[in-house]
Amino acid sequence: AQSVTQLDSQVPVFEEAPVELRCNYSSSVSVYLFWYVQYPNQGLQLLLKYLSGSTLVKGINGFEAEFNKSQTSFHLRKPSVHISDTAEYFCAVSEVRSSASKIIFGSGTRLSIRP
Amino acid sequence: KAGVTQTPRYLIKTRGQQVTLSCSPISGHRSVSWYQQTPGQGLQFLFEYFSETQRNKGNFPGRFSGRQFSNSRSEMNVSTLELGDSALYLCASRVAESYNEQFFGPGTRLTVL
Repeated sequence: AQSVTQLDSQVPVFEEAPVELRCNYSSSVSVYLFWYVQYPNQGLQLLLKYLSGSTLVKGINGFEAEFNKSQTSFHLRKPSVHISDTAEYFCAVSEVRSSASKIIFGSGTRLSIRP
Repeated sequence: KAGVTQTPRYLIKTRGQQVTLSCSPISGHRSVSWYQQTPGQGLQFLFEYFSETQRNKGNFPGRFSGRQFSNSRSEMNVSTLELGDSALYLCASRVAESYNEQFFGPGTRLTVL
C-alpha cells in the first residue's frame, strides 16, 4: 500500500519570495508521483508529474519538483511566488502498473501569498 | 478540446434520499475515475470504470455505485444518503489503462441536510 505525507498543512509566504512544499511518500512498489493544484471552488489541475528519467521535473506556472528516491521525497518548489499561486496543493502517487488508476493523495498544503 | 464536465455542479439532498451524479470525460478518454473530497478525510478514491467495466474500487460502502456507458460517460449513484456524504465529488478521465495522467473535472458539491 502507498501513503503520502505532506508535512505542512499551511505555508504563508510573501509575494516574490521562494517557496518549498514538502512531500514524502511510502510504497513497496514503484510509483508515479504527481503534484496537483486546486483553486477555490475548482477541480484539480496537474502541475507536474514524475514518471521516470530525470529526477528534476518542471511543470506549469514556474513550478518544479525533485524526486529523491533515497529519501522518498518529492518536494515542490518555486523561486518566486505570485498572488495568483494562492491555492491548495496536493502531492499524490499511483502504482506503476498498466491498469493502476487509483491515485493516493496527501492531505494538502494551503499556500497563502502575502503582498 | 473540451475538458471533463460534471453535472450538476451543486446539489442539496436530505438524509435517506438517493442521488445520481454525471461525468462526461474528455473526448477519446475511455477511463473515468471518481473521488470524494471532504475536509476530514481529504481526497479518497471511489472507483474507476474502463470500457463500461469497473476496474478498481476504493474502500466505500455498497451505497456508492457507478456505471459507465458506451460513450464513456459515467454516472455515480449514492443511495440512502447520510450527512457524512456531504462532499465534493470529483471525476477524472484518462486516455487508456496504460497511461496514468488523469484530468479532473470541476466537481459536484453535494450537501446532505
